[in-house]
Amino acid sequence: SQQGEEDPQALSIQEGENATMNCSYKTSINNLQWYRQNSGRGLVHLILIRSNEREKHSGRLRVTLDTSKKSSSLLITASRAADTASYFCATARVSSNTGKLIFGQGTTLQVKP
Amino acid sequence: GAVVSQHPSRVICKSGTSVKIECRSLDFQATTMFWYRQFPKQSLMLMATSNEGSKATYEQGVEKDKFLINHASLTLSTLTVTSAHPEDSSFYICSAPGQGAPVGGYTFGSGTRLTVV
Repeated sequence: SQQGEEDPQALSIQEGENATMNCSYKTSINNLQWYRQNSGRGLVHLILIRSNEREKHSGRLRVTLDTSKKSSSLLITASRAADTASYFCATARVSSNTGKLIFGQGTTLQVKP
Repeated sequence: GAVVSQHPSRVICKSGTSVKIECRSLDFQATTMFWYRQFPKQSLMLMATSNEGSKATYEQGVEKDKFLINHASLTLSTLTVTSAHPEDSSFYICSAPGQGAPVGGYTFGSGTRLTVV
């Protein structure tokens, strides 16, 4: 399969709660990126974590990477209704020098006001 | 920041006709563009890699004669869906390594919703 796995597929929480999404991948990677997509729109880059990093923060976002388990998680703290969107992880493979990104299946997040 | 302008945002065409989708990098040069296809409530599937000055590289299972890609300049890549059929209806998105990529991630166009009737 071209894609990795993400879970959960859908997540519904109340405003103010934290949201955690997980991503697993299959091959060795150079980096892993998280993107956000509002319905019917393009993707917006959120954060990139390199293969030699274990944790990274950006505002209310926290990303972890475990290369031994080939998995990553995205935590959104103190969620807001505006965070409602689909979130995708994407990996750049070590074996590829083309810069191709392979996307996970995505998590649809709904934050209820 | 880096911006990729994609047009049109929506297009409806009749079966058998061709549709061209354009992606322009507005404030940077994109020697490479990636074209994705997305079905409703699904992830992005990479279709092809567009390279300025050379032929596009297609992913396995993608018909190169149906999805014509041209990277005419350092700022423009086009995807032409030829002899469109209803099963080609989908959301098509382009992306390019943005300035400072990979640290800055990739920049995506806003997507084109193609409906073939």
